[in-house]
Amino acid sequence: GDSVTQMEGPVTLSEEAFLTINCTYTATGYPSLFWYVQYPGEGLQLLLKATKADDKGSNKGFEATYRKETTSFHLEKGSVQVSDSAVYFCALSDPRSGYSTLTFGKGTMLLVSP
Amino acid sequence: DTAVSQTPKYLVTQMGNDKSIKCEQNLGHDTMYWYKQDSKKFLKIMFSYNNKELIINETVPNRFSPKSPDKAHLNLHINSLELGDSAVYFCASSGGGTYGYTFGSGTRLTVV
Repeated sequence: GDSVTQMEGPVTLSEEAFLTINCTYTATGYPSLFWYVQYPGEGLQLLLKATKADDKGSNKGFEATYRKETTSFHLEKGSVQVSDSAVYFCALSDPRSGYSTLTFGKGTMLLVSP
Repeated sequence: DTAVSQTPKYLVTQMGNDKSIKCEQNLGHDTMYWYKQDSKKFLKIMFSYNNKELIINETVPNRFSPKSPDKAHLNLHINSLELGDSAVYFCASSGGGTYGYTFGSGTRLTVV
């Protein structure tokens, strides 16, 4: 079945550092890929997405590129802020299910210190 | 306007009680979901409804019963609550295609 693997956290960075959170996936066919962010005490919010190979999703300074050859969708940001501290989830939706189900990774906690 | 709203936000109850969590979405989406998030932040799908019909029913104890009176509402009723039911429960909705989900802010259930 489909699966998503994320690097384990927590990831601890100083403000203005470069961020990479790795995400790889297993799926048959061509899934859509997503990054969600969960701030403390809140629900998940869609951060960015990509629906086909080589697409780049971007939002709020975060970027991720859909790499079919490496089945990856790594999240990057050039300069993190304290307010970026949150849990980040990589996810995929499978066209075989009519895109009706999201499969999530286990989440990666990011802690940014001043 | 809150797109996906859940009530209550916090729920503390004793073992053995029965409780309900309500969810409403005003996005016009056809599909709604319930997810359980454990203390390690792992998200597990419980149920999915499309236009009031159950389409996903993962391995969840029979004590959990979803009810969808219309496509804008998906409620979760839990009978005979156990300590292990303590978690954050998220409702979500989707318009299908490649749009992903919109999540509610969660209900933190604590069983004592």
